Amino acid sequence: DGGITQSPKYLFRKEGQNVTLSCEQNLNHDAMYWYRQDPGQGLRLIYYSQIVNDFQKGDIAEGYSVSREKKESFPLTVTSAQKNPTAFYLCASSIVPGARTEAFFGQGTRLTVV
Amino acid sequence: AQSVTQLGSHVSVSEGALVLLRCNYSSSVPPYLFWYVQYPNQGLQLLLKYTSAATLVKGINGFEAEFKKSETSFHLTKPSAHMSDAAEYFCAVSDNTDKLIFGTGTRLQVFP
Repeated sequence: DGGITQSPKYLFRKEGQNVTLSCEQNLNHDAMYWYRQDPGQGLRLIYYSQIVNDFQKGDIAEGYSVSREKKESFPLTVTSAQKNPTAFYLCASSIVPGARTEAFFGQGTRLTVV
Repeated sequence: AQSVTQLGSHVSVSEGALVLLRCNYSSSVPPYLFWYVQYPNQGLQLLLKYTSAATLVKGINGFEAEFKKSETSFHLTKPSAHMSDAAEYFCAVSDNTDKLIFGTGTRLQVFP
């Protein structure tokens, strides 16, 4: 079945560590996105990519980094510079830039700082 | 700039009652609007979308939404709530660079 796979589902990080969240899609979608979800704040865009080897900052990019070396993959690294990383992270993809179509979401990764 | 406002962070209804979740939008271009549902610790699932065709949009699980340009609204309704409808619902607008801008969400509780 086609879809978006995020791993791991739960992740624990010690303060000062970098961690990488995986996102893989087999939908042949060009665009991919990372959102952060906190209670009562909805989803906020961290980074997005509309084509391989290119990506743009979203509204809350500070303390995060991404890469898009393959169309299928869009990993997110939460660096030690992110002061409050505990949140639910959602990866999404959509068909082609400019189509203004819906995004398809993965099941999320819950990151907790311990 | 595009934005959406969801009125009411929590809505409670009895099983069998009408569900009404409110969403108002602001958009500098003709809006494309979406409703998503999220069950606990899961991703978002598309309920329905408006892309400038029919103003009354039918979605999955018996939900529908009506686009009203004069009121800049896209409210989500379901005639009869079911216990399985308990979840969080998000309204979103697509901007002209394909990013989805989400509202803050409405948590729906359904009581027996």
